[in-house]
Amino acid sequence: QVRLVQSGAEVKEPGASVKVSCKASGYTFIDHYMHWVRQAPGQGLEWMGWINPNSGGTIHAQKFQGRVIMTRDTSISTAYMELSSLRSDDTAVYYCLSLALGQGTLVTVSS
Amino acid sequence: QSALTQPASVSGSPGQSITLSCTGTSSDIGRYNYVYWYQQHPGKAPKVMIYDVINRPSGVSYRFSGSKSGNSASLTISGLQAEDEADYYCSSYTTSNTVVFGGGTRLTVL
Repeated sequence: QVRLVQSGAEVKEPGASVKVSCKASGYTFIDHYMHWVRQAPGQGLEWMGWINPNSGGTIHAQKFQGRVIMTRDTSISTAYMELSSLRSDDTAVYYCLSLALGQGTLVTVSS
Repeated sequence: QSALTQPASVSGSPGQSITLSCTGTSSDIGRYNYVYWYQQHPGKAPKVMIYDVINRPSGVSYRFSGSKSGNSASLTISGLQAEDEADYYCSSYTTSNTVVFGGGTRLTVL
């Protein structure tokens, strides 16, 4: 079945960058867009963007323009999301989503 | 792109059928059949319950069904059970090639 396994929790200082990985299995990786979604503590789900694993093309939500980079490595069926210039309000659980969701990666931004 | 509109909370009794609503616009729900529904229990990752308006992923109970009419989508849960108590979110593809989420509905089983 579809399985998405994400990298572990991260603690970063304000201004730093974080890169989260998402390894897919159980389906053909290049056939389905990979989305990234985040959830701040006590809040709802927020869509960040998607990557077409086949072409590498991406679309990002306006609020993340210039701060987020989504990439993929088709040889290992893995997608990546890098968020830069981190602020305290970027503290959230980050999920990858393609047919199913990953287990989530907690990113804490704190000095 | 504005968020989809979901009621903040809904409640029902065990065995009852309940319908959760998700209202968008002609630029998202009304335009595409790419509506997803997610279930999230406290402290857990969300789980896809419905995709492409009406489809259930493997392993999701037949008690969950999705539909769409105009600019609104619905998730119906039949034979409500205690384990269905959770937060439910909807999402839709949009004409901007983006995805928009609803604010979520907390379902309480009385």
